[in-house]
Amino acid sequence: QTVVTQEPSFSVSPGGTVTFTCGLSSGSVSTSFNPTWYQQTPGQAPRTLIYSTNTRSSGVPDRFSGSILGNKAALTITGAQTDDESDYYCVLYLGSGISVFGGGTKLTVL
Amino acid sequence: QVQLVESGGGVVQPGRSLRVSCAVSGFTFSDYAFHWVRQTSGKGLEWVAAIAYDGNSKYHADSVKGRFTISRDNSKNTLYLQMNSLRAEDTAVYYCARSYGALVGPTPTVWGQGTLVTVSS
Repeated sequence: QTVVTQEPSFSVSPGGTVTFTCGLSSGSVSTSFNPTWYQQTPGQAPRTLIYSTNTRSSGVPDRFSGSILGNKAALTITGAQTDDESDYYCVLYLGSGISVFGGGTKLTVL
Repeated sequence: QVQLVESGGGVVQPGRSLRVSCAVSGFTFSDYAFHWVRQTSGKGLEWVAAIAYDGNSKYHADSVKGRFTISRDNSKNTLYLQMNSLRAEDTAVYYCARSYGALVGPTPTVWGQGTLVTVSS
């Protein structure tokens, strides 16, 4: 069974840059997996940040960007703000109609 | 504006059935694929099922295959998830989410607010 991997947690200072990754337990992530990134705060529905690897969703600030770094998908926050303190999830389309979420990364901004 | 509104959640006994619905507005329902995603309390997101724009292609996670069925009624702009043989581990908030395309490859990008399903005796 394929597992989508994410770092459990990250800490960044206000104004700093942080990069989350989204990988596979076996194999490399490419654009064909349609990597998508979400931000979620407690009690709220997920908010889509980036879809199709690097397309910013409507209203998302340009300090959020998506890419492929090596064999993983990546989400970078440039100039982190205290409001960015949230959980971040990625999802990958594995083919044959199946998508799988990563376990999420908890971001602390301090 | 674009809206996805889930309903039908509640408390149900183990082994029983429940159907949750998602009514949409603000866009052409039949142009998009849809997904159901769930989240247990304090835990991560789990993809549950997906259906293509015309309802002809349906896919389910192994954890629910044979028990849950996704469906849609394009004449009513409504998505459904029929859940049978419910287990305690199915307790979660169930989100309806719209894909960014007509087929299921494009991932969810527009989300409802979710409906809570609690399986308990």
